[in-house]
Amino acid sequence: GNSVTQMEGPVTLSEEAFLTINCTYTATGYPSLFWYVQYPGEGLQLLLKATKADDKGSNKGFEATYRKETTSFHLEKGSVQVSDSAVYFCALNQGGKLIFGQGTELSVKP
Amino acid sequence: NAGVTQTPKFQVLKTGQSMTLQCAQDMNHEYMSWYRQDPGMGLRLIHYSVGAGITDQGEVPNGYNVSRSTTEDFPLRLLSAAPSQTSVYFCASSSVQGQGKSEQYFGPGTRLTVT
Repeated sequence: GNSVTQMEGPVTLSEEAFLTINCTYTATGYPSLFWYVQYPGEGLQLLLKATKADDKGSNKGFEATYRKETTSFHLEKGSVQVSDSAVYFCALNQGGKLIFGQGTELSVKP
Repeated sequence: NAGVTQTPKFQVLKTGQSMTLQCAQDMNHEYMSWYRQDPGMGLRLIHYSVGAGITDQGEVPNGYNVSRSTTEDFPLRLLSAAPSQTSVYFCASSSVQGQGKSEQYFGPGTRLTVT
């Protein structure tokens, strides 16, 4: 069946460091891919999405490219801030149902 | 718009008790769903609905019931709570237009503890 695998956390970075959170997926067909972010004590918010191969989603300095050949959707940011500390979830959409990775906790230190 | 609202925010139950988690959305979304979030496991789909009167099971439906009598509301019922149902529960909604591509909007969550 369809599944999503994320790199394990927690990830701890210094402010202004480069961030990569790996995400790979297994799916039939070509699902839409999403990154959601969860700040402490809150629900999930959509960070970015890509709906077809080679699409690049971007928002708030974060980017991810839908790579069909490697079945990946890695999240990147060139310079993280303390305010980026949160849990990040990669997900794919299977006919309206979201399948999530296990989440990666990011902690950014000043 | 309030978006997706959930009540209560916190709840403690004893084993065997029943309760209903409320979820409402004011965006006229056809699709609504319930997820549970457990440490190290991401979010898992419990039940979902593609419109009023239509519900279906997700990945982990056992021990939960749902109904969808209106577009706005999608309550989740625990019939006989068990400690394994201790979790954070999220309700979400989305438009079915462009199915598969639409963003899902999440509520703030209900933290449930079963003792």
